[in-house]
Amino acid sequence: GQQLNQSPQSMFIQEGEDVSMNCTSSSIFNTWLWYKQDPGEGPVLLIALYKAGELTSNGRLTAQFGITRKDSFLNISASIPSDVGIYFCAGPRSNAGNMLTFGGGTRLMVKP
Amino acid sequence: SAVISQKPSRDICQRGTSLTIQCQVDSQVTMMFWYRQQPGQSLTLIATANQGSEATYESGFVIDKFPISRPNLTFSTLTVSNMSPEDSSIYLCSVGLAQETQYFGPGTRLLVL
Repeated sequence: GQQLNQSPQSMFIQEGEDVSMNCTSSSIFNTWLWYKQDPGEGPVLLIALYKAGELTSNGRLTAQFGITRKDSFLNISASIPSDVGIYFCAGPRSNAGNMLTFGGGTRLMVKP
Repeated sequence: SAVISQKPSRDICQRGTSLTIQCQVDSQVTMMFWYRQQPGQSLTLIATANQGSEATYESGFVIDKFPISRPNLTFSTLTVSNMSPEDSSIYLCSVGLAQETQYFGPGTRLLVL
């Protein structure tokens, strides 16, 4: 079945540093979604990507849809303490409309 | 997007009891989903809540354990039945919107003793 592998599993960085995480799959995805889950909250959609090679920004966040359609990347520039949380990639299951497959998540910790 | 609320936000329950979690959306939506998130884990889909018909369950989840209601296009409930400590998790509802996106509620944090 479709699986999404996220790396790294966790990161502990200094405030102000840039962050990069990625999501890979053995299957092709036509959509890539990136969510952030704050402690004690539900996941919030950050960025949606719909075209291979697409690069989309949301403030300090930039995500890219890999050309092979089997990967996606999320970068955070100049991290701040409120960037702390778990970042999930997700993609729609094949032939299943709105149903999503989620990656294992990248846990980000930022030291002030 | 959509505004989604869940009740209760958290609960502590005794084993053997049942808890019903409510999910309310501020607009009519066709697709609603229920997920479980075990401690330190990713999201696992329990079922798709279908309005006017039975929910569609994922492998490993059954209706007797997780009965779901979907009486209209803005509301759904998930019941966790005959609870055991292994059911301690965050339970999340979500709605499917345009372009394959989903929006999530804040979650219900359940601890079973």
